[in-house]
Amino acid sequence: NAGVTQTPKFQVLKTGQSMTLQCAQDMNHNSMYWYRQDPGMGLRLIYYSASEGTTDKGEVPNGYNVSRLNKREFSLRLESAAPSQTSVYFCASSRHMGQGGSGNTIYFGEGSWLTVV
Amino acid sequence: EDQVTQSPEALRLQEGESSSLNCSYTVSGLRGLFWYRQDPGKGPEFLFTLYSAGEEKEKERLKATLTKKESFLHITAPKPEDSATYLCAVLHGSGNTGKLIFGQGTTLQVKP
Repeated sequence: NAGVTQTPKFQVLKTGQSMTLQCAQDMNHNSMYWYRQDPGMGLRLIYYSASEGTTDKGEVPNGYNVSRLNKREFSLRLESAAPSQTSVYFCASSRHMGQGGSGNTIYFGEGSWLTVV
Repeated sequence: EDQVTQSPEALRLQEGESSSLNCSYTVSGLRGLFWYRQDPGKGPEFLFTLYSAGEEKEKERLKATLTKKESFLHITAPKPEDSATYLCAVLHGSGNTGKLIFGQGTTLQVKP
């Protein structure tokens, strides 16, 4: 059981280039998320998808777009990369979003290290 | 403003020296508090969820407790393999739009 898988693991971009981070989960979860983690800032939510067919902005959405391709896959796109987007990106998923009980436990992927020069 | 604060930022312990990590929160409508462990170069790994004041959860040398304002992660007789960053997160909000707010983490180093 792979859980949450994200690719690539490492990427270096030049300012202005575009790229897409891919994420897939095999836990039949309804909700998926993209976070970024920066030193001293903790994990911050970029975008989320509460269920297949829906996406919403999180805390820091500027400069990003997302696509919920199907129930398993949720991609994050940087259209024109900027040095401020140098960060570690984590994809995550949960059975449901915001509901009580164990269904809202969020499981994370291994991370994607992105450097924009 | 909804906020989650963890203390201390860093903690160094000798093997076997018990201690506690703190997570204090100010959010409206707490729906759950989560503890994660994160090793360098890895994603956060789920440890516990607590839902109501007075609740406790245990796993090996770790015990998490919850009050109305804070949570503690107690580490009893830690070993070097317990070295990691421990993250606290709070789920708040109503309906199906509840979101997690993360603290900045406590980095624990356990020396042999």
